[in-house]
Amino acid sequence: ETGVTQTPRHLVMGMTNKKSLKCEQHLGHNAMYWYKQSAKKPLELMFVYNFKEQTENNSVPSRFSPECPNSSHLFLHLHTLQPEDSALYLCASSPIAGGPYEQYFGPGTRLTVT
Amino acid sequence: GENVEQHPSTLSVQEGDSAVIKCTYSDSASNYFPWYKQELGKGPQLIIDIRSNVGEKKDQRIAVTLNKTAKHFSLHITETQPEDSAVYFCAAPNRDDKIIFGKGTRLHILP
Repeated sequence: ETGVTQTPRHLVMGMTNKKSLKCEQHLGHNAMYWYKQSAKKPLELMFVYNFKEQTENNSVPSRFSPECPNSSHLFLHLHTLQPEDSALYLCASSPIAGGPYEQYFGPGTRLTVT
Repeated sequence: GENVEQHPSTLSVQEGDSAVIKCTYSDSASNYFPWYKQELGKGPQLIIDIRSNVGEKKDQRIAVTLNKTAKHFSLHITETQPEDSAVYFCAAPNRDDKIIFGKGTRLHILP
């Protein structure tokens, strides 16, 4: 998968740790997204960036902190997480935010909080 | 409020038979309806989409139908094969152009 890449693919962290998830897209898109996917919930949109500007924060706790230094890169900084934050974190991109555009997803980071 | 309901949550189909997954949406302004397929260990990938100006779209073994009056759309997979086993998500945009996903359908193709 060369379109949208995510690192690391798996992460185990304690509740007091600080870690970061990285996403990179090679599609020339201007919008990037973070989603949380849990076992029994639909895809939960967390953040949206459009042309490097955050346009959506879907009531996400402050222990999740996004960063978008440019249109190709997106980070999710994690600190003092809770066990219920364990999930698959998916990054996606699209030409622009909103509208009838396909979202291209990365493979996700499987996060386990111990 | 905006909502996308998807049924069933799990579906088992004999190989070679057809599978149908249904979704309803609440926002009458929705005009774009994508379907995503998520295989194990991967992110969702778009497999087909339909816009509100047509009622049906086909791509080989998959098709999507849209009923705007009833506000529902369906995914049809014919002649199912083992590689069709995956989780399928429908989605629709709300008035703010935010894509709302359904809860997903886990499709099992039985040998």
